[in-house]
Formats: sequence, C-alpha cells, structure tokens
Amino acid sequence: EAGVTQFPSHSVIEKGQTVTLRCDPISGHDNLYWYRRVMGKEIKFLLHFVKESKQDESGMPNNRFLAERTGGTYSTLKVQPAELEDSGVYFCASSQDRGSPSRWFFGPGTRLTVL
Amino acid sequence: AQSVTQPDIHITVSEGASLELRCNYSYGATPYLFWYVQSPGQGLQLLLKYFSGDTLVQGIKGFEAEFKRSQSSFNLRKPSVHWSDAAEYFCAVGAGEYGNKLVFGAGTILRVKS
Repeated sequence: EAGVTQFPSHSVIEKGQTVTLRCDPISGHDNLYWYRRVMGKEIKFLLHFVKESKQDESGMPNNRFLAERTGGTYSTLKVQPAELEDSGVYFCASSQDRGSPSRWFFGPGTRLTVL
Repeated sequence: AQSVTQPDIHITVSEGASLELRCNYSYGATPYLFWYVQSPGQGLQLLLKYFSGDTLVQGIKGFEAEFKRSQSSFNLRKPSVHWSDAAEYFCAVGAGEYGNKLVFGAGTILRVKS
C-alpha cells in the first residue's frame, strides 16, 4: 500500500512568485491535515480537511495561502505571492477517521525555499 | 494555550549509551502525548503515545517514555542507542475536540557517535 506522498520534495522560488504543493493521501482516507515547520521552529497546524470540506483552517497564516481538496482525494496548498517567511517544510498527513493522531500517516514533506 | 517545550536542540551520544530526550508540556486537561521521529527524507513516524493508564509506555525501536503529571513531562528514553537512531525527534500533545490537532515541540536532533 502506497503511503502519503508529497510533491515536489523541494521547491526553490523567488519572493513574489507562486508555488503549489501537492499531497496525495492514502487511498480511502477522508481526513487530510497540513502542517508546516518554519525554519528551526515548531511544526504547526495549518488546516484539516474531511473529504473535500475544510473542517478547521484556523492555522492558515494569512490569505496568501489557499488549500483545496477537490473531489476529496489529493490536496493542493498554493502560496501566492510567496514571502521569505514562508520558507520551511510543509507536511501533510492522512487518516481514515478523525480520531487519534496515532492512526495518522505523515508524508515526507515538501521543503520550500523562498529567496 | 497548549504548548510543548523540548529544551535540547541537539544531543550527541555515543553508540551503546543510554538516551533521554526531554519534553515538557502545558495543557489544561489530561493530555494525549506523542513522540515522533523523522529521519532524512522520511515522514514523521510515531514512536509511542500516551492516553491514560500506565505512565510508562513502550514504543517501537526499543523506545519508552514516562508520563509525569506532577512535572508536566513526557521524556523519551532508550537504554542503548544505535547509530540508526540518529534523527530528529518531536514531542507533541494532542489538542482540539478530538485530541487530533497536534501541537509540537521544536524538535531535538540526535547525533550518534561511534
């Protein structure tokens, strides 16, 4: 069974450009979570999808970030325009139910560098 | 607000030596506590969790952790470290209605010297 995959693994862009990160959850997992780790800091929650609906987007930092999950399968996280402080590692995780994180599966992350 | 503190940014231990990684949390109710490990190029892997009951929990790869409510701590231990344990370790508390919003510490990088 394939795990959670994220594309690209690395992205280097200039300030002001747009970047789209993708997360493919494990097939059949309704719950999808986005987290990010800004350099040297804690990993922080961004948002939570249940199927295609945003269950909780309280962690989204500002309106430059747009997350979608059309059809309830893969999810994209677009940053437009990117700023220097957006650099970091973006993780996603998926689970079949919304319960304990012990049943989550994390992807390897996308490392975003904004120059 | 919930928070997790990992006081040690880096720790270096010799292979075969014992290991303890510290974690302190701030949470109003009985916490759900987790330890994750991330190796280069890999996703976060759950090592162990504490929900209730026995305060000493066993995890994968020979790790264990002890929940101490009086100290608000959940330290991770391993009696004998292997070179393959070199990685970054994250402590987290489960917040939110279902305990499913993780609040992470800043991580501790473990280096193992031979």
